[in-house]
Amino acid sequence: AQSVAQPEDQVNVAEGNPLTVKCTYSVSGNPYLFWYVQYPNRGLQFLLKYITGDNLVKGSYGFEAEFNKSQTSFHLKKPSALVSDSALYFCAVRDGGDYKLSFGAGTTVTVRA
Amino acid sequence: SQTIHQWPATLVQPVGSPLSLECTVEGTSNPNLYWYRQAAGRGLQLLFYSVGIGQISSEVPQNLSASRPQDRQFILSSKKLLLSDSGFYLCAWSTQGANQPQHFGDGTRLSIL
Repeated sequence: AQSVAQPEDQVNVAEGNPLTVKCTYSVSGNPYLFWYVQYPNRGLQFLLKYITGDNLVKGSYGFEAEFNKSQTSFHLKKPSALVSDSALYFCAVRDGGDYKLSFGAGTTVTVRA
Repeated sequence: SQTIHQWPATLVQPVGSPLSLECTVEGTSNPNLYWYRQAAGRGLQLLFYSVGIGQISSEVPQNLSASRPQDRQFILSSKKLLLSDSGFYLCAWSTQGANQPQHFGDGTRLSIL
C-alpha cells in the first residue's frame, strides 16, 4: 500500500522569504514522487517529480524538492516566494509497481505582500 | 503538445437527473485516463481509470460509471444523480509508465439541487 502525508494544512510566508511545504510518504517498493499546484477552480498543474538519481529535483516556476530516503520525505521548496505562489499544493506518490497515484490532503500556501 | 479538455466547466443538475461529463485528450496516443472527484477543494478521490479502449477499472463503488469509447475520450456518467454526487470532477491523462506524471484538465464543478 502507498500513502502520503502533508502534515501542514496551511503555510503562511512573507513575499521574498523561503517557502517549504512538507511531505512524507510510505511505499512498499521504490517511490515515484510528484508535486502539483492547484489554483482556485482549476485543475492540478504538475510541478516536478522524483524518479531516481539526484536527491534535489528542480521543477517549474523556481520550485525544487529534496528527496530524503531515510526520512521518507519529499519536501517542496522555493528560495524566494511570490504572492502568485499562493495556492493549494499536493504531494503524490506512486509505488513503482502501480500506476495509481496516492495524493496527500493538500497544503494551502499563502504568501503575503 | 498535448492538451486535455473537459466540459462543461460548471453544471447544475436536479437530484435524480442523468449525468454525462466528457474528457478528451489531444496530441498523444493510448494514454492512461483517470476520473477524480475533489471535495471541498481538498483531497482527490480516484473514481475510475482506464488503460485502453473499453477497459475501465472502478476504485469506489458508487452511483457513477465511466466509459472509454475512443482512445482519447473518457466519459463519466450517472443514470440518477444523488445530492452526494456534488463536487469538482477532474479528468487526467498520463503516458504509459509508472514514472510519468498525470496531467489534469480544468475540471467540472457539479452542483446537485
